[in-house]
Amino acid sequence: KNEVEQSPQNLTAQEGEFITINCSYSVGISALHWLQQHPGGGIVSLFMLSSGKKKHGRLIATINIQEKHSSLHITASHPRDSAVYICAVPFGNNDMRFGAGTRLTVKP
Amino acid sequence: NAGVTQTPKFRILKIGQSMTLQCAQDMNHNYMYWYRQDPGMGLKLIYYSVGAGITDKGEVPNGYNVSRSTTEDFPLRLELAAPSQTSVYFCASTGVSDYNEQFFGPGTRLTVL
Repeated sequence: KNEVEQSPQNLTAQEGEFITINCSYSVGISALHWLQQHPGGGIVSLFMLSSGKKKHGRLIATINIQEKHSSLHITASHPRDSAVYICAVPFGNNDMRFGAGTRLTVKP
Repeated sequence: NAGVTQTPKFRILKIGQSMTLQCAQDMNHNYMYWYRQDPGMGLKLIYYSVGAGITDKGEVPNGYNVSRSTTEDFPLRLELAAPSQTSVYFCASTGVSDYNEQFFGPGTRLTVL
C-alpha cells in the first residue's frame, strides 16, 4: 500500500473550470508538499504547508492533519495549468514519499 | 544562480556498463537527494546527503552509489547497469531539511538496453 494516494489519476477540464486534486496519506506528518511537473519534465515546488490553507495566485492548497488529507485547487483553470501535480510527505528520517501524480489537461 | 543542474540530459547504456550522473547546486544547500521516477509511479528516493561527507540510503538504493565530497556536488554512480534502472533521475536540494522547499534539477533520462 502506498503511503501517499492521489485522486484522480487523470483529469480533463475546460478552460475556466474549478479544479480539485486530492491527496491522502497514511503516515503522521507535520508538513506536506505540492509539486508541479511540467510536460517537459521539470519539477517545481508549489506549496509546503503544515496546517490550514495557502494561496498563491489561482492556486489554493488546504490540509487537514487530523484527517490526513490535502487538496489542491485551481481557480479559473487555463491551458498553461496542464501538468502533473504531485503531493509528497516527509517519511522517517530525511525520506520523502510521493504520490503517483494527477495528470491535468485543461482544454481551451 | 543556476539552481540545480544535472548532466547528461539523456543517456543510453548497455547492460553491464557503468556511468555517473552529475548533480550540482549553487545555493549552498546542505541537503541533496537523488530520486528516480518510473512511468506511472511516484518519485522514489535513492540516496540523500545532509552535508559534505555524509550520505545515506533512501527507499531504493540497490545498484547505486553516491559520494558528497563538496557541498555543491552530489554524483550518482551506476556500476553495472541493468534494464530495471531505465528511468528518469532527478536530483534535488533543500536548505535546511525536507520540511523546506525542494529545488529540482531538470532530470536525466536513462535507458539501459
